[in-house]
Formats: sequence, structure tokens, C-alpha cells
Amino acid sequence: AQSVTQPDIHITVSEGASLELRCNYSYGATPYLFWYVQSPGQGLQLLLKYFSGDTLVQGIKGFEAEFKRSQSSFNLRKPSVHWSDAAEYFCAVGNNAGNMLTFGGGTRLMVKP
Amino acid sequence: DVKVTQSSRYLVKRTGEKVFLECVQDMDHENMFWYRQDPGLGLRLIYFSYDVKMKEKGDIPEGYSVSREKKERFSLILESASTNQTSMYLCASSPMDRGETQYFGPGTRLLVL
Repeated sequence: AQSVTQPDIHITVSEGASLELRCNYSYGATPYLFWYVQSPGQGLQLLLKYFSGDTLVQGIKGFEAEFKRSQSSFNLRKPSVHWSDAAEYFCAVGNNAGNMLTFGGGTRLMVKP
Repeated sequence: DVKVTQSSRYLVKRTGEKVFLECVQDMDHENMFWYRQDPGLGLRLIYFSYDVKMKEKGDIPEGYSVSREKKERFSLILESASTNQTSMYLCASSPMDRGETQYFGPGTRLLVL
């Protein structure tokens, strides 16, 4: 069975600092991987996704993620965090059957002024 | 723009009541999903529908049922609400192919007293 682990439940960074959110997955084949963001009181919005090709994926709002098969990881990065990035971030892996996703537990990001 | 709407943002119900949560999407997507979101657990799939009148159980279907009579509408039913069903419920839709983005509604926060 597939699974996703986000080791950091909470992360606090200063505005302007760089950010890396960790995601490790378990899946038997080539995975489809996603990062979603949930701002307070909102539904989830897709930041980026990977399913083949270049292992460095660019997304919206200046985010990027790198797929590393050898480490079963898909970490999310941003070079300079803005206060509006404070939100909860979810990593997910897609399975073979249709389009079902398995989500990680989420990482809540707080941004200090 | 894809729009997924949910009938209520907040609901308060009593133990034993029958509860209906409704979700409507306007993009003619084949797939629709109901998730439950709890702190630290991320999103867990309750049920999934890939066509009208078709449904598949997700990871936590116990205590829930679903109905999809029209392509654009997917309902989640709590036959007899219990306090452990207090949670945030998120609906999503997507095209049928693997790797397609799921689009989420704003969520319904349900409190069962």
C-alpha cells in the first residue's frame, strides 16, 4: 500500500528566509506526486505535480520541488518566503487505479515578520 | 475556472441525526471524492465515484454512504451521526485520468453534539 510521510508537523521561518518542506513516499511503481496548499478557511490548491521528465518541477507562487527516486522524496522548496505563504502544506501520491490520492499528515508553516 | 461548491461551510448536528453533505462541480469531471480532514492525519479518502451511480470505498468508509445521481453532484450521507464524525469534510473532483489535478471545495466543518 502506498503512504506519504511529512516528518515536520510545524515549521516556523522568518520572512525572506528559504524554506524546505520534506515529503517521503512509499509506492511500488513510478509515482505521481503532488503538493497542495491550504490557506486558513480555504480548500486545497495545487502548487505543483510530478509524473515524469525533469525531476525538478516548478509550481505556482515561486515554489519548486525535486523528485529523488533514490531517497523516495519529493521535497518542496522556496528561496524566499513571504508572510502570505503561511498555510498548511500537503504532499500526496497518486495510485494506479484511476486518480485516487494518498495524502501526508501535512506541515503547518508559520512565517515570522 | 473550475468550481467545486459545498452546500454548507458549517454544520451543527445532534448524535443520531441523518446528515447530508452536498458537493457540486461545474467542470464535467468524471471523478468525485469525499475526504475527511483531521489535525495531524491529513486528508483521508472516504468514498470515490468515477461515474454516475458508481462508487468505490476509500480508506475510511465506515459510518458513511454516498450518492451520485447526476454527474455534477456527489452527496455524502452520515446515516446516524456520531461525535467521532466531528471533522472537516472536503469534496474534490477531477478528470478521470491518473495524474490529473483534483480540485477541492472550501470544505464543510461538521460538529456533532
